[in-house]
Amino acid sequence: LAKTTQPISMDSYEGQEVNITCSHNNIATNDYITWYQQFPSQGPRFIIQGYKTKVTNEVASLFIPADRKSSTLSLPRVSLSDTAVYYCLVGANNNAGNMLTFGGGTRLMVKP
Amino acid sequence: DVKVTQSSRYLVKRTGEKVFLECVQDMDHENMFWYRQDPGLGLRLIYFSYDVKMKEKGDIPEGYSVSREKKERFSLILESASTNQTSMYLCASTPIGFRKNTEAFFGQGTRLTVV
Repeated sequence: LAKTTQPISMDSYEGQEVNITCSHNNIATNDYITWYQQFPSQGPRFIIQGYKTKVTNEVASLFIPADRKSSTLSLPRVSLSDTAVYYCLVGANNNAGNMLTFGGGTRLMVKP
Repeated sequence: DVKVTQSSRYLVKRTGEKVFLECVQDMDHENMFWYRQDPGLGLRLIYFSYDVKMKEKGDIPEGYSVSREKKERFSLILESASTNQTSMYLCASTPIGFRKNTEAFFGQGTRLTVV
């Protein structure tokens, strides 16, 4: 899997839009970009996945520029319950065997 | 819904004991993983299995072994528990497939304390 780099932490306030950027300079042609959210004392939860341009679901949007060397997770109008650690993963495998390796993640703190 | 179930939420064991952490998934996923998570260190991969009886070492396999006798079950074994293995252990599974195999489903975790 391609190595990823994210900010260690971010602070925001309720109602703001939060953008977390992940760098993945060595992304391969077949790689997808996947983001996870983890609350304290729980396992990570899949949020969104994309390959290029923009993907949006009920939780977040994912923006991927043309060179795909970075991606930005966008959380609209965050609330206190969005306080969590967010992980960016890059990879794919056409065969069985994909060592899912997480980086350090970004700790988002949403304040009232 | 995909369900990944870990056998215990909290576990306390003594130093030197042999410890089994069990994980079961009900979605016929090929890939299963064991991680440990410690404050400030994120999620670190211990072992990974991509098929029955197949396993690969992750980043920190020392002191651990695994068993995958059935597709749905992946066990993590601490042969002789030590205090530095006190941690949160997380199990995950993913299907294979070009797009899907980074969409992992996690269990709730087992908080193991070795005393």
